[in-house]
Amino acid sequence: RKEVEQDPGPFNVPEGATVAFNCTYSNSASQSFFWYRQDCRKEPKLLMSVYSSGNEDGRFTAQLNRASQYISLLIRDSKLSDSATYLCVVGNTGGFKTIFGAGTRLFVKA
Amino acid sequence: NAGVTQTPKFRVLKTGQSMTLLCAQDMNHEYMYWYRQDPGMGLRLIHYSVGEGTTAKGEVPDGYNVSRLKKQNFLLGLESAAPSQTSVYFCASSLAGGDHNEQFFGPGTRLTVL
Repeated sequence: RKEVEQDPGPFNVPEGATVAFNCTYSNSASQSFFWYRQDCRKEPKLLMSVYSSGNEDGRFTAQLNRASQYISLLIRDSKLSDSATYLCVVGNTGGFKTIFGAGTRLFVKA
Repeated sequence: NAGVTQTPKFRVLKTGQSMTLLCAQDMNHEYMYWYRQDPGMGLRLIHYSVGEGTTAKGEVPDGYNVSRLKKQNFLLGLESAAPSQTSVYFCASSLAGGDHNEQFFGPGTRLTVL
């Protein structure tokens, strides 16, 4: 079993739609959680950290469920520019052992 | 600020050749990392460094060596390239380790080993 698992997609949604991604992790001792965004043939960039209480940044909402060991990302009112691969990232104690999921591809269409 | 830069951007090697990938950051970050990214797989940590003069092995260190002689530079070496090392290599840096520490990535190096 992979340490961090994501549905690879692709998710094909129309503009304005709401889309949600889940990510599961296997290490119950994991301490930190992030979503990164990676555009085609580009480097990953931090989208948002995920906090225990859940957090929101504009159209993006991230949730953490420690009991079930998953994190989620919700995108509301999807834009064409949201088309990218979204990487789930889980960090363990010390921050060095950061595990990246393989990513979920999103295509937003007009 | 240039952020994190990598050279070269592309390289084709023959099996058995050697090369060095250079990563440079101008953000005065303590921590630096080398990852490889292969289709269908997440980024995998090759080696990392928590400060000038220090290096440590990551998840997939075999076949690679690194050096951090200067704080701003982190070099990744392939002594004898193999086709299995065909990949996209990303360097990253962060201010420190820890739970909420953002990693900044370079643009990547696309390496093909024939």
